Amino acid sequence: DVKVTQSSRYLVKRTGEKVFLECVQDMDHENMFWYRQDPGLGLRLIYFSYDVKMKEKGDIPEGYSVSREKKERFSLILESASTNQTSMYLCASSSLGSGGGGYTFGSGTRLTVV
Amino acid sequence: GDSVTQMEGPVTLSEEAFLTINCTYTATGYPSLFWYVQYPGEGLQLLLKATKADDKGSNKGFEATYRKETTSFHLEKGSVQVSDSAVYFCALSDYGGSQGNLIFGKGTKLSVKP
Repeated sequence: DVKVTQSSRYLVKRTGEKVFLECVQDMDHENMFWYRQDPGLGLRLIYFSYDVKMKEKGDIPEGYSVSREKKERFSLILESASTNQTSMYLCASSSLGSGGGGYTFGSGTRLTVV
Repeated sequence: GDSVTQMEGPVTLSEEAFLTINCTYTATGYPSLFWYVQYPGEGLQLLLKATKADDKGSNKGFEATYRKETTSFHLEKGSVQVSDSAVYFCALSDYGGSQGNLIFGKGTKLSVKP
C-alpha cells in the first residue's frame, strides 16, 4: 500500500528548541509539500519541493525551513520553536504533472510548543 | 489570486439526511476541482474530482458537478451515514495560476447523528 509516513503523530517541544518533522514517501513522487492545519484557517502551505535539493516558499514560510536531500524524504525544520507554531502539520506528495488529484497525505504530526 | 470559499461549519445532520456543502472558486485559468475528506485523526484523502466544466465527480455516494457558469463545485450526498462524519475540503489546482499546487478551502466539519 503506497503511503506517506510522518515520523511522529504527537510531539511536545519547548520554546526555542530546534524541531525536525520528517516525512517519507514510497511512491517515487517528485513533488512534496508541507502544510499546517489550524481551526478556522484550513490548510496553509509552508514549503514545497519539486525535486531533490530544490525548495520553494509557500504562503507562510516564516520561522520554517526545509531540507530535501533524497527524493523520498522531505524534512520541515522549526529553527527556534515558538508557541504560535503549535499546530497540526501535514505532509503530502504527488507525481509530476498530476495536479491536485495525485496528492497523497500523511496522517499528520500534532506539535505542541510549550 | 486563486481562491476557494466553502460554507462554514459545523454541519450537523441526522442519519439518512440529504447533504449539501457549498463550494465556489476564483481562478485565473482552467482549474481542476477536488473534494478531499479528513476522518478524525487522519490525513486528507481524495474523495472525488472533476477536471473540466460539466464533469461530475462521484465516489462513495458523494457527487459534485463542475459548474463553470457559477464557478461552483457543491458536494452532495442523498443519505448520509454516521461514518461520513469528517471534515470536507474543497480544493482547486490551476496550472495557469498556481503551478498546479492545490489551493484549499477552510474545510467544513460534518457531524452525523444516529
